Amino acid sequence: QLQLQESGSGLVKPSQTLSLTCAVSGGSISSGGYSWSWIRQPPGKGLEWIGYIYHSGSTYYNPSLKSRVTISVDRSKNQFSLKLSSVTAADTAVYYCASSRGYSYGGWGQGTLVTVSS
Amino acid sequence: DIQMTQSPSSLSASVGDRVTITCQASQDISNYLNWYQQKPGKAPKLLIYDASNLETGVPSRFSGSGSGTDFTFTISSLQPEDIATYYCQQYDNLPPSFGQGTKLEIK
Repeated sequence: QLQLQESGSGLVKPSQTLSLTCAVSGGSISSGGYSWSWIRQPPGKGLEWIGYIYHSGSTYYNPSLKSRVTISVDRSKNQFSLKLSSVTAADTAVYYCASSRGYSYGGWGQGTLVTVSS
Repeated sequence: DIQMTQSPSSLSASVGDRVTITCQASQDISNYLNWYQQKPGKAPKLLIYDASNLETGVPSRFSGSGSGTDFTFTISSLQPEDIATYYCQQYDNLPPSFGQGTKLEIK
């Protein structure tokens, strides 16, 4: 059973870069057929898909965020990461990492709240 | 992007009631639809995939149906632990997108 755990800064200043990491345990991040995604949820609002990195290393980002998002993988540490640049208050949200076969998200981290504020 | 519209946005029902939530896609998504349950302060949990398939370990009182643009999620007999917000999610087209959620409360 895969387990995911987010970590990173909970407070980011406007215009700076948000950086989060998701540690994967219970399986290899290089396992075929899995993709590793980031999904966010502003306080009191719904879910927004940010992007994924496939086990092969290929990525796809939500076009609404594409110019600011980078998702990468560190196979040696069995983890993947999110960077979101030029943040504003609108990027304040709980950020989840998630695993899937296809696009059905059966594995989730517990979520981490990132607040954008000076 | 495909827009997903859920109704109702909130719902109050009694223990034992049959509860139905609908989800409409802005275009044909075949059966590429999932349903999630999210309890306060927790991550979403996958309940139904491919519109009608029950995820392993999910109680059989949960079910889903539909194809094309119109989908239904049903709880056959509401239990107190079912209090949560429910989301549909399409994955026919990238990016995957979610409905706005249906908040379910006990009457």
